[in-house]
Amino acid sequence: EAQVTQNPRYLITVTGKKLTVTCSQNMNHEYMSWYRQDPGLGLRQIYYSMNVEVTDKGDVPEGYKVSRKEKRNFPLILESPSPNQTSLYFCASSLNRPISQKAFFGQGTRLTVV
Amino acid sequence: KQEVTQIPAALSVPEGENLVLNCSFTDSAIYNLQWFRQDPGKGLTSLLLIQSSQREQTSGRLNASLDKSSGRSTLYIAASQPGDSATYLCAVLDGGSQGNLIFGKGTKLSVKP
Repeated sequence: EAQVTQNPRYLITVTGKKLTVTCSQNMNHEYMSWYRQDPGLGLRQIYYSMNVEVTDKGDVPEGYKVSRKEKRNFPLILESPSPNQTSLYFCASSLNRPISQKAFFGQGTRLTVV
Repeated sequence: KQEVTQIPAALSVPEGENLVLNCSFTDSAIYNLQWFRQDPGKGLTSLLLIQSSQREQTSGRLNASLDKSSGRSTLYIAASQPGDSATYLCAVLDGGSQGNLIFGKGTKLSVKP
């Protein structure tokens, strides 16, 4: 089954403790991205990757890092999480830059930073 | 800067009704527009994608239209069912974007049996 898988689904952590949210897709997609969703603000892009070893900032990249060492994986790294990074995070992928293809989203990771 | 607005924010209808969800965007230079469905705990599912050169797309009971010049799209749901209850999101892909979908805040639909 074609899917985007995120782990963990739920995470509660303390301020400053480094964490990684994993994202994996099984569709051989080139394009992957991370979004965060906050009440009243909607979904906003954090980072995206056009292909292996090619990443770039989205609208709200501060406090986040990403890497794309393999085509299927695109982890999101919070080196020193803060309470304002409490949010619902989504990983998405598409065959390539989503001009003509639908985007596939993971089920989300709900992160709470205390 | 592109902005996407969805009206209404919430909608409650009895089962069987036909309904229309609205989406507007400020910059007509888009590659495409997608309608998504978001269920609690299940992420987003792309329902329909309309290219900038197209006027509408249909899938089952869903029909999405696009009027790029006026910056508007509608999602028509025929014969609504309780299983249609979800939040519906509209997103556009900017002409200058590297793939950043710009989302509206969504319309929360509740279909009452």
